Amino acid sequence: EAQVTQNPRYLITVTGKKLTVTCSQNMNHEYMSWYRQDPGLGLRQIYYSMNVEVTDKGDVPEGYKVSRKEKRNFPLILESPSPNQTSLYFCASSLVDPSTDTQYFGPGTRLTVL
Amino acid sequence: KQEVTQIPAALSVPEGENLVLNCSFTDSAIYNLQWFRQDPGKGLTSLLLIQSSQREQTSGRLNASLDKSSGRSTLYIAASQPGDSATYLCAVSGGATNKLIFGTGTLLAVQP
Repeated sequence: EAQVTQNPRYLITVTGKKLTVTCSQNMNHEYMSWYRQDPGLGLRQIYYSMNVEVTDKGDVPEGYKVSRKEKRNFPLILESPSPNQTSLYFCASSLVDPSTDTQYFGPGTRLTVL
Repeated sequence: KQEVTQIPAALSVPEGENLVLNCSFTDSAIYNLQWFRQDPGKGLTSLLLIQSSQREQTSGRLNASLDKSSGRSTLYIAASQPGDSATYLCAVSGGATNKLIFGTGTLLAVQP
């Protein structure tokens, strides 16, 4: 089954404790991205990757890191999480060009930073 | 800067009613517009994608239209069912990064 998977689905952590949210897709998609969803603000893009070893900042990249060492994986790293990063996070992928190709979303990771 | 607005924020209708969800955007220079459905505890599911050169797309009971010049799109749902209850999001893509810019969604409740 074609899908985007994220782990963990739920995470409660404390300020400053490094964490990684994994994202994997099995569709051989080149484009992958991370979004955060906050009430009243909608979904905002954090980082995106056009292909392996090619990443770039989205609208709200501060406090996040990403890497794209393999085509299928695109982990999101919070080196020193803070309470304002409490949010619902989504990973997404599309075949090549998000302007023409359908985007597929993972189930989401609900992160709480205390 | 592109801004996407969805009105109303919430909508409750009785089962069987036809309904229209609205999406507006400020910059008409878009590549495409997509409608998504978001169920509680789940990710987004793409419903329809309309390329900038197209006027509408249809899938089953869903019909989405696009009027680039006026910066508007509508999602028409025919004969609504309780299973249609979800949050509906529209998103436009454009600009140098082709990223999606999302509206804040319309929460739809279809009452049995």
